[in-house]
Amino acid sequence: NAGVTQTPKFQVLKTGQSMTLQCAQDMNHEYMSWYRQDPGMGLRLIHYSVGAGITDQGEVPNGYNVSRSTTEDFPLRLLSAAPSQTSVYFCASSYSNRLTDTQYFGPGTRLTVL
Amino acid sequence: KQEVTQIPAALSVPEGENLVLNCSFTDSAIYNLQWFRQDPGKGLTSLLLIQSSQREQTSGRLNASLDKSSGRSTLYIAASQPGDSATYLCAAKNSGGGADGLTFGKGTHLIIQP
Repeated sequence: NAGVTQTPKFQVLKTGQSMTLQCAQDMNHEYMSWYRQDPGMGLRLIHYSVGAGITDQGEVPNGYNVSRSTTEDFPLRLLSAAPSQTSVYFCASSYSNRLTDTQYFGPGTRLTVL
Repeated sequence: KQEVTQIPAALSVPEGENLVLNCSFTDSAIYNLQWFRQDPGKGLTSLLLIQSSQREQTSGRLNASLDKSSGRSTLYIAASQPGDSATYLCAAKNSGGGADGLTFGKGTHLIIQP
């Protein structure tokens, strides 16, 4: 299994541009989520999904959209990039959201918005 | 709102020493407490997950404990090795606040000197 994969690894955008961060998992996990990691802030939840066709907001959802058309894929869309969205983005998945389920993280996408 | 604090923020010890990393949380109504490892430029790797009904979990040279009443968890690393150098993150999973409910600490940056 490839686990959780993310593309691209690095991206530079100009303010106002849009883009999609890709996330895929091949473990048949129902639960997927997106975090951002900023220096001195820890990881914060952006959006999550408990299964195909179901998404919900996390702690910091503004400026981001998600969709979950398949179990495998959970893309994160930046509608109009802002410098405040400069961060490292991690996608994670787990079999379900049961209390005992471990989350698996992707390698991250480092995004810079100029 | 749950807050997770990790002390110290950074730690440097000689190879072979036993060491303890600390994690405290403000809301004791947690489902579980997870410890992750993050290498530079990489994603998070799950090390141990302690359910709220458990007191500790062990994996190889790692032992994690949980004391819900005092709002504390520790990660004990025995006979440290240079390969243990990484940032260690703890995350508390709460019973409320969304399906995810994971609140992360900011991490302890650990350096094991050869």
